[in-house]
Parts: sequence; structure tokens; C-alpha cells
Amino acid sequence: DGGITQSPKYLFRKEGQNVTLSCEQNLNHDAMYWYRQDPGQGLRLIYYSQIVNDFQKGDIAEGYSVSREKKESFPLTVTSAQKNPTAFYLCASNSGTGVYTQYFGPGTRLTVL
Amino acid sequence: RKEVEQDPGPFNVPEGATVAFNCTYSNSASQSFFWYRQDCRKEPKLLMSVYSSGNEDGRFTAQLNRASQYISLLIRDSKLSDSATYLCVVNGRGSNYKLTFGKGTLLTVNP
Repeated sequence: DGGITQSPKYLFRKEGQNVTLSCEQNLNHDAMYWYRQDPGQGLRLIYYSQIVNDFQKGDIAEGYSVSREKKESFPLTVTSAQKNPTAFYLCASNSGTGVYTQYFGPGTRLTVL
Repeated sequence: RKEVEQDPGPFNVPEGATVAFNCTYSNSASQSFFWYRQDCRKEPKLLMSVYSSGNEDGRFTAQLNRASQYISLLIRDSKLSDSATYLCVVNGRGSNYKLTFGKGTLLTVNP
């Protein structure tokens, strides 16, 4: 089955720790995205990548970092510099060839204790 | 004006009702428009793309008015399973790859 997987589903972190959220896709999509969703809020773009070894900051990149070493993978690290990291994190991808529909993974709920 | 603005809701309707969602967008250069559906604590899923001439998919009808920068979604004969948050989505400023999401409108269909 083709799709996007994210792990873990739930993640608990102590303040001051960095954590890395996994996102893998087997759709052969070029572009991948990370969003954050807070209760009652729309999705906000953290980072996106259009091709391997290249990525751009979204609207709320501060306190986050990403890498894109493989087409299939786009991990997100939430660093201790992110002041309010508790949120629902969603990874998405699209083919990046003029069709802009994005497909989402099931998300990771991060809670900072 | 916000990039994408939706009716705040929530909407509570009985089964079988017709319900309309409205959305406005600020970027007149936007070219791609979508409605996504998000169930509670789940990821958004594409409901339908919105085309210039309007389009229909079963009980769902989407309309686009470029002059007014307005998008709508109509659900006819609503079902309990239609209960969800509906997100208006537009391709954003500066890059065709980026999408901007509205905050969503919560719909509850009651028996």
C-alpha cells in the first residue's frame, strides 16, 4: 500500500530535550511538508522540501530543524529552543509536478511534560 | 484580510439537511483550491478539488468565484458520517508548492 507513515503516534518529552519525529512516504513524491496544528487553529507550515538535499523554512520554523537526505524521508527535530512544542504534527507530500494536492500522514501528538 | 478565512461555525444540523460552507481568500494569484475534511484527532483528507466551472461529487458541490475570491462547499442530504471539520485550502503566496489552510468549520450532523 502506498502512503505516508509517521512515528511515533504519541510522544512525551521533558522540557529541554530534543526529539525527532519520523515521516516516510512510498508515493515517490518529490515534495514533503511539515505542519503544526494547535487546538482550534489551522495548520501552520514549519518546513518544506521540494527535492532531496533542499528545504525551505515555512511560517514558523524557529525551534525546528529538518533534513532531506532521501526522497522517502523527511524527519523533523523539535529542539529545546521551541518554546511551546506541545501540538499535533502532520507530515504531508505531493508529487510536486504541477498538482498541488497534498496527502497527509496520520500525525504525531507531542506533549511536553 | 486573512489569507484564508472560513465561517467560524460550529454548525449543528439534523440528518438530511443541506449545509453550506463559505470561504474567502486574499491572494488573487491563487490557482488551486481544495476542500479537506478532518475527523477529530485525525489527519486532514482531501474531500475535493474546486474547479473554476464548479464541480460536484455525489452529495457535495464546490463552487469558485474568482472575482469575489470566494469558495463554497454545499453538502446535500447530510449524513451522520459527514460530521467533521471542513478545511478550505488555497495555494499560498510565493510558491505553488505551498498551501494555506483555513481554520476549519466544525459540522455536527444530529440524528
